[in-house]
Amino acid sequence: AQSVAQPEDQVNVAEGNPLTVKCTYSVSGNPYLFWYVQYPNRGLQFLLKYITGDNLVKGSYGFEAEFNKSQTSFHLKKPSALVSDSALYFCAVRDWRLTGGGNKLTFGTGTQLKVEL
Amino acid sequence: DSGVTQTPKHLITATGQRVTLRCSPRSGDLSVYWYQQSLDQGLQFLIQYYNGEERAKGNILERFSAQQFPDLHSELNLSSLELGDSALYFCASSVGEDRVSPLHFGNGTRLTVT
Repeated sequence: AQSVAQPEDQVNVAEGNPLTVKCTYSVSGNPYLFWYVQYPNRGLQFLLKYITGDNLVKGSYGFEAEFNKSQTSFHLKKPSALVSDSALYFCAVRDWRLTGGGNKLTFGTGTQLKVEL
Repeated sequence: DSGVTQTPKHLITATGQRVTLRCSPRSGDLSVYWYQQSLDQGLQFLIQYYNGEERAKGNILERFSAQQFPDLHSELNLSSLELGDSALYFCASSVGEDRVSPLHFGNGTRLTVT
């Protein structure tokens, strides 16, 4: 089965500093990777995805992610953090070889990002 | 706004009861997914439907069932409720069943079982 791991429960960063939220994956075959953000009492919002091609993927709200095949990682980055970026971030992998022909996203445990003034 | 609508937003009920959660996917999306989010279990995949047919099943209890109707809306039925069923239930939709389309999530239904 496909899986992702987020090794940090929480990341603290000062506003204006670069941020990184880590994710590693374990898949058979090519990985299809996604990042989502969840604000309090809201659903998950799609940020970006890696399918194939460039290892640096750009997404919404100034976020980008770096795919590294040798390290099986897909870290989320932003050059300059904002207080409004404080939220819960989830890495996910597409698991599409399911019995019955279906598919799903398998999510990591989430990383709480706190950006302070 | 993701375009996925979930009702109700909040639901408080007693143990042993049955509830129905409703989801309207984004216009044009044929796949619907249900997830459960709780503090101890994280985000757990329950079930996926595509154009009315069940396509994938996850950690869904036998007390839970779902269906997708011809107009593509979906309902998740939870019965014989237990305290441990208290959680946030999300519906998501995507265009089809390809590997690359992201899922778009509703704002969830918060279920509290007392």
